[in-house]
Amino acid sequence: EPEVTQTPSHQVTQMGQEVILRCVPISNHLYFYWYRQILGQKVEFLVSFYNNEISEKSEIFDDQFSVERPDGSNFTLKIRSTKLEDSAMYFCASQGTRNEKLFFGSGTQLSVL
Amino acid sequence: QQQVKQSPQSLIVQKGGISIINCAYENTAFDYFPWYQQFPGKGPALLIAIRPDVSEKKEGRFTISFNKSAKQFSLHIMDSQPGDSATYFCAASRIQGAQKLVFGQGTRLTINP
Repeated sequence: EPEVTQTPSHQVTQMGQEVILRCVPISNHLYFYWYRQILGQKVEFLVSFYNNEISEKSEIFDDQFSVERPDGSNFTLKIRSTKLEDSAMYFCASQGTRNEKLFFGSGTQLSVL
Repeated sequence: QQQVKQSPQSLIVQKGGISIINCAYENTAFDYFPWYQQFPGKGPALLIAIRPDVSEKKEGRFTISFNKSAKQFSLHIMDSQPGDSATYFCAASRIQGAQKLVFGQGTRLTINP
């Protein structure tokens, strides 16, 4: 089965630093998502992306967050100035068409010290 | 209004038994109810999903029961196997627009051999 690939699997950063989390969605998929899961809590929607623009975002996705699809294969999440509370597992997901299932990557564990 | 409540938090079942996980939602606009299975170190993977126009959906040993009037749905795993040991998440969203899934808290299922 095709896979969504996320790198790195673990990222440690200092508070206030910028981080970029990378994702390679499934080829030919058109819809892209970021979700996150704080340890012990539920998985939460952050943002959806289609046709090179954000289609929907949650309250969590404030001005410190941005997403980009810089080329035909990568999809990135940037956190400009990380805070302690940004520590979480970040999942990328992609979807072929609106009614198809989401495929999730294995996640990037972000630790902000 | 956006919450999905899941119970129990953890569940231990003997091999061959039936595992039952329950979820309740509040937003009547939700019309897509998937269950995800997550193994350690992996992202959530779609297990089975249901739309509110049916009361039950079965795929192999996995069955979703849906009660629209009670705003509840449940996952039944028949003949539970040790390989089913994982964390299970229920979720809900609207099928139209971005798949902005609202997840339950998760259930850690352990199947004892």
